[in-house]
Amino acid sequence: GQQVMQIPQYQHVQEGEDFTTYCNSSTTLSNIQWYKQRPGGHPVFLIQLVKSGEVKKQKRLTFQFGEAKKNSSLHITATQTTDVGTYFCAGPGTNAGKSTFGDGTTLTVKP
Amino acid sequence: NAGVTQTPKFQVLKTGQSMTLQCAQDMNHNSMYWYRQDPGMGLRLIYYSASEGTTDKGEVPNGYNVSRLNKREFSLRLESAAPSQTSVYFCASSGDGQGYEQYFGPGTRLTVT
Repeated sequence: GQQVMQIPQYQHVQEGEDFTTYCNSSTTLSNIQWYKQRPGGHPVFLIQLVKSGEVKKQKRLTFQFGEAKKNSSLHITATQTTDVGTYFCAGPGTNAGKSTFGDGTTLTVKP
Repeated sequence: NAGVTQTPKFQVLKTGQSMTLQCAQDMNHNSMYWYRQDPGMGLRLIYYSASEGTTDKGEVPNGYNVSRLNKREFSLRLESAAPSQTSVYFCASSGDGQGYEQYFGPGTRLTVT
């Protein structure tokens, strides 16, 4: 089935540093979604990208969808301790309605 | 508007015991899902239901059964729990088709000893 691979698995940064996580697929994706899961919490939807080359911003978060629609990235500028958690990308599954989640990137921020 | 609710929040079972995890959503969504998440790992789909009365196996269905009782409720049953089923279980729901975000419940933390 379709898979999305995420790198890195873990990232430790000093507060104020930037952070980027990458999501890659071997096949073209019709859309890509990003979720955040705080420690001990549940995944929460952040954003969806649909168009080739699309860039969306949410305050310090910048989401990009590649031109070929095979990769995506999430960039956080000047991380804060509130950014800690695991960030997942999700692509559409092989059957309608299903999604395929990446394994996530866990971000820790040292104050 | 509670979103997605799950019960119980925590459960400890002995090997061989059975239990049912309950999930309900009040967003009038057709699609509902059960995932498991092992420590430090991603989400693996156990079962999926596109609508009331239909269910479909996901990536890791062995050892589980599901029931889509009505549009609101989707339950997950462990008939004979095994230590390998120790995990956090999340229920989720979404609108129809591709491209709809999933709304997750708070999870059930299950330990099988």
